[in-house]
Amino acid sequence: GAVVSQHPSRVICKSGTSVKIECRSLDFQATTMFWYRQFPKQSLMLMATSNEGSKATYEQGVEKDKFLINHASLTLSTLTVTSAHPEDSSFYICSARLAGQETQYFGPGTRLLVL
Amino acid sequence: DAKTTQPPSMDCAEGRAANLPCNHSTISGNEYVYWYRQIHSQGPQYIIHGLKNNETNEMASLIITEDRKSSTLILPHATLRDTAVYYCIALNAGNNRKLIWGLGTSLAVNP
Repeated sequence: GAVVSQHPSRVICKSGTSVKIECRSLDFQATTMFWYRQFPKQSLMLMATSNEGSKATYEQGVEKDKFLINHASLTLSTLTVTSAHPEDSSFYICSARLAGQETQYFGPGTRLLVL
Repeated sequence: DAKTTQPPSMDCAEGRAANLPCNHSTISGNEYVYWYRQIHSQGPQYIIHGLKNNETNEMASLIITEDRKSSTLILPHATLRDTAVYYCIALNAGNNRKLIWGLGTSLAVNP
């Protein structure tokens, strides 16, 4: 149980284009989902917290207009990287949390390479 | 949120127990101790968590000292597939329920 999927697993795009990453909780309903970013040899950094049906809460230094988050249902959250630049190349990971519980379950991650 | 301190790296022989320590001397009463691991190029995997009592599941055991200032994750029979970075995190169960990630312990299980 508590399986989280992400799609795509890896994506290569040209600078200036937008990329959408999907995060799905497959066997549970997640009222809260989280988006993280991880650069090589570094730890995970929280980008934003997303609650179903409401606007995401972004961490300090994360541009909300560049990283658009939508959490329209209890099983799906999307992260759109708009006008991607090479410095946005990173490993993007989502997690989901069951209502009333503390434990976060993570997706397999999406590796983004912006050329 | 309490800061945790872990050794940067450890080695373990395959088939032996791996004991991963974590210090969280400033942990507060409502903070859980969570353990995750991340195998190279994958998302983190939940292992176990606890508040006061020792916990055991199919993956590992968690031993928390009586004063809650430190804990040890035990993998009873380590395999090569347990090679990963292990993260110990103190999670506040209140309104600010965020996982704050340190650098963890890189565990190498050797044949």
